[in-house]
Amino acid sequence: EIVMTQSPATLSVSPGERATLSCRASQSVSSNLAWYQQKPGQAPRLLIYGASTRATGIPARFSGSGSGTEFTLTISSLQSEDFAVYYCQQYNNWPPSHTFGQGTKLEIK
Amino acid sequence: QLQLQESGPGLVKPSETLSLTCTVSGGSISSSSYYWGWIRQPPGKGLEWIGSIYYSGSTYYNPSLKSRVTISVDTSKNQFSLKLSSVTAADTAVYYCANGTAMVTWGQGTLVTVSS
Repeated sequence: EIVMTQSPATLSVSPGERATLSCRASQSVSSNLAWYQQKPGQAPRLLIYGASTRATGIPARFSGSGSGTEFTLTISSLQSEDFAVYYCQQYNNWPPSHTFGQGTKLEIK
Repeated sequence: QLQLQESGPGLVKPSETLSLTCTVSGGSISSSSYYWGWIRQPPGKGLEWIGSIYYSGSTYYNPSLKSRVTISVDTSKNQFSLKLSSVTAADTAVYYCANGTAMVTWGQGTLVTVSS
């Protein structure tokens, strides 16, 4: 089973600054990596898929990078609406599995 | 625009079977490009993938839940369903249905509490 580990657990950043979130896979997932944003009381929202492709309607300040086992989500200039919990997820092709990381809470500094 | 909606009992007794349905609108559940999945989130905790079903009917489950999970599709109703047997309090969670391998569209989620 592939284990996804996110760091840090909590990240405190000021509005307007850059945030960098990390995700590590216990074995290679190629580029089969997605990032989600979740706000309280809401379903997760897909931000990034294929490790670096923004989903429809996602602002350009969100970017993803990495492949294999190391991945990064960068938010270039934090807006007030970006403070939320972020999850990475691998979607391995075979056998199909979809493991989530434990999440990173992005909070206002 | 694809929309998903979960439905089912909000309270299930310990040792019983949790049953939920996800109704798909705005698209066909038989589309060859879609996986349909279930994900859950215990209160205050992270997301856990439960399992997925492909349009062909092939199913894939989280190994930690595999012995208790069944996911099925009813193409005539454009729905897919989750059954989780022998539930305990640890199965109390918000249950989401979603589509895709990277999960593009999610239902709003439904809270299921396991309690006597």
